[in-house]
Amino acid sequence: DIQMTQSPSSLSASVGDRVTITCRASQSIGSYLNWYQQKPGKAPKLLIYAASSLQSGVPSRFSGSGSGTDFTLTISSLQPEDFATYYCQQSYSTRYTFGQGTKLEIK
Amino acid sequence: EVQLLESGGGLVQPGGSLRLSCAASGFTFSSYAMSWVRQAPEKGLEWVSAISGSGHSTYYADSVKGRFTISRDNSKNTLYLQMNSLRAEDTAVYYCAKDIVVVPDAGSKFDYWGQGTLVTVSS
Repeated sequence: DIQMTQSPSSLSASVGDRVTITCRASQSIGSYLNWYQQKPGKAPKLLIYAASSLQSGVPSRFSGSGSGTDFTLTISSLQPEDFATYYCQQSYSTRYTFGQGTKLEIK
Repeated sequence: EVQLLESGGGLVQPGGSLRLSCAASGFTFSSYAMSWVRQAPEKGLEWVSAISGSGHSTYYADSVKGRFTISRDNSKNTLYLQMNSLRAEDTAVYYCAKDIVVVPDAGSKFDYWGQGTLVTVSS
């Protein structure tokens, strides 16, 4: 199976900060990389698909980039509602795998 | 409005069985692949299984292969997960998730999720 590794595992930041989360695949996955946001007690929400395409309804402060094995999720200016856990997920293989998550906390 | 409503979770002893259901509405159910994704307490997301829109193609994570069976009834707009030989490590919230493609492939993404149902495996 393709292993997905996120860094950091946790991150403290302030409202207004620019934040970047990294996701690395154990083999090349092209651009078949999705990002999800999950808040406590809630289901995940799709943010970015195909590495850099913004899901409908998602604020433009979220952006994604990368291809091959290295990907990033960037939040340009953190808002209070952005404090959550973020997961990357590869869809290159139908044995889908997620990263371990990055918990974004308020500093 | 797309809605996914899971049910069937509960407490079961190790070695026991449970069947989860996911009732779908608001979209043409047979036109989309569906998946089950689980989350153990205080842990990350783990994809469990997927099924094509027709139900003819199924996919499983190694951790559940041979013990879990995914199926769907397109006449009832319902997705199922039959879980046998349950283990303590299967304890998790189980989510059903809608894909954007009819057959799971490299373009897959989960655009809608249910609220989850908790499965606890314990004696």
